[in-house]
Amino acid sequence: EIVLTQSPATLSLSPGDRAALSCRASQSVYTCLGWFQQRPGQPPRLLIYGASDRATGIPARFSGSGSGTDFTLTINSLEPEDFAVYYCQQCVNWPRTFGQGTKVEIK
Amino acid sequence: EVQLVESGGGLVQPGGSLRLSCAASGFSFGSCWMSWVRQAPGKGLEWVANVKQDGSEKHYVDSVKGRFTVSRDNAKNSLYLQMNSLRAEDTAVYYCVGAPNSYYFDFWGQGTLVAVSS
Repeated sequence: EIVLTQSPATLSLSPGDRAALSCRASQSVYTCLGWFQQRPGQPPRLLIYGASDRATGIPARFSGSGSGTDFTLTINSLEPEDFAVYYCQQCVNWPRTFGQGTKVEIK
Repeated sequence: EVQLVESGGGLVQPGGSLRLSCAASGFSFGSCWMSWVRQAPGKGLEWVANVKQDGSEKHYVDSVKGRFTVSRDNAKNSLYLQMNSLRAEDTAVYYCVGAPNSYYFDFWGQGTLVAVSS
């Protein structure tokens, strides 16, 4: 099973700041990695697939990068609705696995 | 508009059974891989199972193999999860999720809560 480790666990930032979230895989997942956003009381929403492609309707301030074992989700100029929990997910092996999440909170 | 509506959750005793259902609309259900993903209270996401478009291929996380069975009825645009021998650690919100492939999880339902307790 591929283990995904996200860091930091919590990121305290202000609206307008830039956020950089990390996801590290226990073995190479090539670019088979997605990012999800989950707001309180809501189901997750796919943001990024293929490590760097934005899903339909996702604003351009969200970007993904990386390959192999190290990945980053960057959110430029945080909007109030961006304060949420973010998960990465690998799709190269069964079982599909998620990271433990990074909470982006208002400082 | 894509809609996935789960039902069938509730409180069940350890060792009991439940059958979850998911009614899909607003997209070509028969063209999508369908999955169940769960989230224990206050915890992260865990993929549980999925099934290919025609039902010919299914995958499960190890912790549910032999206890849970995923199935679908394309004529009814419905996805199911039969859960037997339930344990306390199966307590979670169960989400029905669809995607055009088996790699990612594109559209999600609102979830149904399963609580396993005596």
